[in-house]
Amino acid sequence: DVKVTQSSRYLVKRTGEKVFLECVQDMDHENMFWYRQDPGLGLRLIYFSYDVKMKEKGDIPEGYSVSREKKERFSLILESASTNQTSMYLCASSSRDSKDNEKLFFGSGTQLSVL
Amino acid sequence: LAKTTQPISMDSYEGQEVNITCSHNNIATNDYITWYQQFPSQGPRFIIQGYKTKVTNEVASLFIPADRKSSTLSLPRVSLSDTAVYYCLVGDRGSSASKIIFGSGTRLSIRP
Repeated sequence: DVKVTQSSRYLVKRTGEKVFLECVQDMDHENMFWYRQDPGLGLRLIYFSYDVKMKEKGDIPEGYSVSREKKERFSLILESASTNQTSMYLCASSSRDSKDNEKLFFGSGTQLSVL
Repeated sequence: LAKTTQPISMDSYEGQEVNITCSHNNIATNDYITWYQQFPSQGPRFIIQGYKTKVTNEVASLFIPADRKSSTLSLPRVSLSDTAVYYCLVGDRGSSASKIIFGSGTRLSIRP
């Protein structure tokens, strides 16, 4: 089975801190994604990456950056955490089948609280 | 990518068949449809995927009419554990670097 592992399940940080959220997948997937999810809102795409060192902005990249130095690892960085970044963060990787249909595999999520 | 529209919420009872319909009027020739299920405090989980007609797996069926402007996820004989949010997504087969966007989903509540 595909495994997407997020380094922390719960994280509490202070305003202004630099925060790293780590995600590792074990299936050699090309594409990886970071989403955030807030109550009453669906999943919102922050950034995605289609190859090592490659990244694309999602719908809400402001206040975030990402790093993909190795294929299996995709990191989300909050340069200076703010209270409005308190959220559930979900990492995913994807595979494509023989018909080129893409399927996402998600981690368990990191609930980040910024105080 | 085509925008999707789903009901915000649905209620049903254990043992019933539940059908959730998703509208995607602007679906393109290369687009396919995928459904995910999400339980509280977990990441979404893949349920089923299709391009046209009918697809069935051990969990659900997916019905896609000939014009492909909508799709229906069918859950047979639901149980309390099927209470979750269900998301319909449209993806592009032709894109190797796709921006996968989730809509608001349908919150399904199953009652005893």
